[in-house]
Amino acid sequence: DAGVIQSPRHEVTEMGQEVTLRCKPISGHNSLFWYRQTMMRGLELLIYFNNNVPIDDSGMPEDRFSAKMPNASFSTLKIQPSEPRDSAVYFCASSFGLATPGEQFFGPGTRLTVL
Amino acid sequence: LAKTTQPISMDSYEGQEVNITCSHNNIATNDYITWYQQFPSQGPRFIIQGYKTKVTNEVASLFIPADRKSSTLSLPRVSLSDTAVYYCLVGDAQSGNTPLVFGKGTRLSVIA
Repeated sequence: DAGVIQSPRHEVTEMGQEVTLRCKPISGHNSLFWYRQTMMRGLELLIYFNNNVPIDDSGMPEDRFSAKMPNASFSTLKIQPSEPRDSAVYFCASSFGLATPGEQFFGPGTRLTVL
Repeated sequence: LAKTTQPISMDSYEGQEVNITCSHNNIATNDYITWYQQFPSQGPRFIIQGYKTKVTNEVASLFIPADRKSSTLSLPRVSLSDTAVYYCLVGDAQSGNTPLVFGKGTRLSVIA
């Protein structure tokens, strides 16, 4: 099993540019989570999907952030326009089920730097 | 969601047993206790999960007292490679409507 796949692994962009992060969950998993991690705020849940449907996006910081899951094997997190304070590591995770006892499997993350 | 409280950091020497305790006073009947481990530059990784008493796997043991208001992750004979952040999470096993929420975790530093 390839695990959760995220791309790109690193992204450097300038303020104001659009950024799109991609995630391929583990096949058969029906829940997908987007997290953001910074030193100051730790690991924050941004949004999660169950069966491709967004369940809770209350963690999305602003309207500049949007996420989609057009099918069971693909999700995107878009930031438009990007700002320096968006610099962080963004993780995608998938699981079978939403909470316990299903464990979440995390991808390697995308390190985003906004200049 | 049950809130969890755990030490911000811990230090240990190689070869020692490390016990990290997590408090979750408001744990609900349906909640399970789950621990994750995160190495630098990687995503968190599931370690162990339990509901009550004791659970043991090849990586760690999890001790949960009868009142379930706390839990202790035990790492036997730690090595330098166990240096990581350890997260304690509490989640509802049945409703399936709320995901696990990560706190700040405990940063474990293993010293040679």
